[in-house]
Amino acid sequence: EAGVVQSPRYKIIEKKQPVAFWCNPISGHNTLYWYRQNLGQGPELLIRYENEEAVDDSQLPKDRFSAERLKGVDSTLKIQPAELGDSAVYLCASRHTGFPGELFFGEGSRLTVL
Amino acid sequence: DAKTTQPPSMDCAEGRAANLPCNHSTISGNEYVYWYRQIHSQGPQYIIHGLKNNETNEMASLIITEDRKSSTLILPHATLRDTAVYYCIVAGYSTLTFGKGTMLLVSP
Repeated sequence: EAGVVQSPRYKIIEKKQPVAFWCNPISGHNTLYWYRQNLGQGPELLIRYENEEAVDDSQLPKDRFSAERLKGVDSTLKIQPAELGDSAVYLCASRHTGFPGELFFGEGSRLTVL
Repeated sequence: DAKTTQPPSMDCAEGRAANLPCNHSTISGNEYVYWYRQIHSQGPQYIIHGLKNNETNEMASLIITEDRKSSTLILPHATLRDTAVYYCIVAGYSTLTFGKGTMLLVSP
């Protein structure tokens, strides 16, 4: 069974540039999460999807961050424009609907903003 | 979600049992205890979870106190590959909120 796939693995951009991250969850997993992890910290939730609906986006900085999950499968997280403080690892996770469940994480996309 | 308290770091000798404690004194009745670990440069990996009873799987054992205010993750025979940050999380049917976890260093 394929795991959660994320791309790109690494991205270096200059501030004010846009960037996008892509996530393909495990087949059949209805719930998808985007987390951000700063150096030395635990992951912090940005947004959670149930199918194509964003059910928790309270921590997503909506002035510059956007996300979508069309057709309830893969998802894209976008930052426009990027700031220096956005340098972090962006993690995608998925799980099958049900409670309790275990989250399966991708390897993450490491963003460096110069 | 209830908060958890974990020591920032622990050491363990290879081959010995690693016992990682977690305090969650404000846990509510419908919240589970989850344990994840994160090896350097990888995404977090699920280890085990429990509600009231002790649990065991191929990776670890989870011991939850009767009052559910604390728990211990046990790695019975730690190896060098178990060096990682271990997160204890308490959550119901919602988002898992990660703290800083415990950095476990397994040494030869």
